[in-house]
Amino acid sequence: NAGVTQTPKFQVLKTGQSMTLQCAQDMNHNSMYWYRQDPGMGLRLIYYSASEGTTDKGEVPNGYNVSRLNKREFSLRLESAAPSQTSVYFCASSDSGAGDLEQYFGPGTRLTVT
Amino acid sequence: AQSVTQPDIHITVSEGASLELRCNYSYGATPYLFWYVQSPGQGLQLLLKYFSGDTLVQGIKGFEAEFKRSQSSFNLRKPSVHWSDAAEYFCAVGASGTYKYIFGTGTRLKVLA
Repeated sequence: NAGVTQTPKFQVLKTGQSMTLQCAQDMNHNSMYWYRQDPGMGLRLIYYSASEGTTDKGEVPNGYNVSRLNKREFSLRLESAAPSQTSVYFCASSDSGAGDLEQYFGPGTRLTVT
Repeated sequence: AQSVTQPDIHITVSEGASLELRCNYSYGATPYLFWYVQSPGQGLQLLLKYFSGDTLVQGIKGFEAEFKRSQSSFNLRKPSVHWSDAAEYFCAVGASGTYKYIFGTGTRLKVLA
């Protein structure tokens, strides 16, 4: 099993450009998450999808959109990138998303916005 | 509101020494508690978790953690640190019925040879 995969691994954008980060999991998990990691701030939840067909905002959703394409895939879109969105982005999945089960993380996407 | 505090940003220990990483949480009910490890350039890997029952939980790589309700703490311990344990460690709290974890800000561990 590949677990949780993310593409791309690295990306450099200019301010105002758009891009989509892709995430896929092969564990048949119901719930998926997008986090951003910034130095000294831990991981902060951007959006999550408790189950296929649903998405909800997390702690820092501004400037992002998500799509739960199917049970396997959960993408994160930056419509107009800003330097403040320079970060490392992690996708995660869990079996039920009910807060009690562990989350499995992808390797991350390192995004730089200039 | 839920919160997680990891008071130590950096910790340095010698190889073979014991380790304790601190985690304090704030939550009204019994929380679900986790410790994750992140090696450089990698995603997060679960070390151990506490849901209920025995307050001392064993994890992978020789780590253990103890839940102390009276102190709202869930400290991570290892009796003898190996150089490969150098990484960043995150404590997280979740709650039944929610879909959100709260992560601490992390503790970066350096191991001296």
